[in-house]
Amino acid sequence: EVQLLESGGGLVQPGGSLRLSCAASGFTLSSYAMSWVRQAPGKGLEWVSAISGSGDTTYYADSVKGRFTFSRDNSKDTLFLQMNSLSADDTAVYYCAKDAAAGATGYFDLWGQGTLVTVSS
Amino acid sequence: DIVMTQSPDSLAVSLGERATINCKSSQSVLYSSNNLNYLTWYQQKPGQPPKLLIYWASTRESGVPDRFSGSGSGTDFTLTISSLQAEDVAVYYCQQYYNLPYTFGQGTKLEIK
Repeated sequence: EVQLLESGGGLVQPGGSLRLSCAASGFTLSSYAMSWVRQAPGKGLEWVSAISGSGDTTYYADSVKGRFTFSRDNSKDTLFLQMNSLSADDTAVYYCAKDAAAGATGYFDLWGQGTLVTVSS
Repeated sequence: DIVMTQSPDSLAVSLGERATINCKSSQSVLYSSNNLNYLTWYQQKPGQPPKLLIYWASTRESGVPDRFSGSGSGTDFTLTISSLQAEDVAVYYCQQYYNLPYTFGQGTKLEIK
């Protein structure tokens, strides 16, 4: 079955760190660029970061640049989002999303169920 | 950044009637070299991740009912549901992938009248 499964979310204090994982199955992960998209409670969608299929190129939203790091281990079919210096504004459900075509497209045909990150003291 | 603005914010339509959602981008998302509009539509139901409906502004994703259609070019786009079904109650988002950062509209909540 083609799917993405996020994990690693939870409650963290302001200024803290968290590492999210996204396990992919049912497709060749290395062929696709991937993204993280987040959704604050009751709010809309915000693209956070993207990574090329090989992992050698990454892109970030200004709101997370310098604090978040997106990486991937294609041998383990897993993606990672290292989040540092977290603030309340980072509270959201974080979705892992697959580019719809090999290479890079920028629109997403497969999404995980999401993992909730709550930043609060 | 390209700003995406949807209208209306919410919409109530009777079952079997047409629903129309608009999306406007702050700059053109039409790439002249291939004449493609880098615009997609998603449907999100409560408690679920978004689901891809339409890409390249008007290409329906496999498995999406043909009552869903996308149109428009340049900066103005429309998602149309030709005959609303109960299962279409959701929030709909447009997104541009013309350039980074990818940006979404604020969403349109569709309900049954």
